[in-house]
Amino acid sequence: SQQGEEDPQALSIQEGENATMNCSYKTSINNLQWYRQNSGRGLVHLILIRSNEREKHSGRLRVTLDTSKKSSSLLITASRAADTASYFCAPSGLVFGAGTILRVKS
Amino acid sequence: NAGVTQTPKFQVLKTGQSMTLQCAQDMNHNSMYWYRQDPGMGLRLIYYSASEGTTDKGEVPNGYNVSRLNKREFSLRLESAAPSQTSVYFCASSDFGVSNQPQHFGDGTRLSIL
Repeated sequence: SQQGEEDPQALSIQEGENATMNCSYKTSINNLQWYRQNSGRGLVHLILIRSNEREKHSGRLRVTLDTSKKSSSLLITASRAADTASYFCAPSGLVFGAGTILRVKS
Repeated sequence: NAGVTQTPKFQVLKTGQSMTLQCAQDMNHNSMYWYRQDPGMGLRLIYYSASEGTTDKGEVPNGYNVSRLNKREFSLRLESAAPSQTSVYFCASSDFGVSNQPQHFGDGTRLSIL
């Protein structure tokens, strides 16, 4: 199974601070995807990073991938209250971890 | 632009009853998926359909059946509901390439089985 494990399970920060979430996985992957889920809603795709990429940016999001360590990180810069959500990684897209719950306090 | 639409949004069943969850997408996607989400366990794949006319089992298929009715619609059926199937069910779709494309999710069906 390619299930990812997110760390930490929960994160609480002040608005304006950066938030970093990590994902580890066990076997080789073609790509790794990050998703966000707001309370009571479906998942929304944030970013896909391929196995031959080391870093990718999208707006305030920065994702890194280290295939030698089988890990990825998602950095949200200058967080906003609207970033409050659960964040999931999906190594190779079909299996999701339990997620990191991010709370951004205003 | 509706994206992925799931019906119903909420449902309460009694043990042993049957139920079909409906899913439709309007993005002309080839692949469709059914997941369940339980507290603290993330999403688990029940079944998926890589393309119209094909279906495959995921991680937790027992107790479920699926039908890919056409390119737009993918339904999930519980033949004899059990309390262990109480969960939130999500349907998703993606363009060709089951694990290489972003998935678009519906907002879920919250199912309680008493």
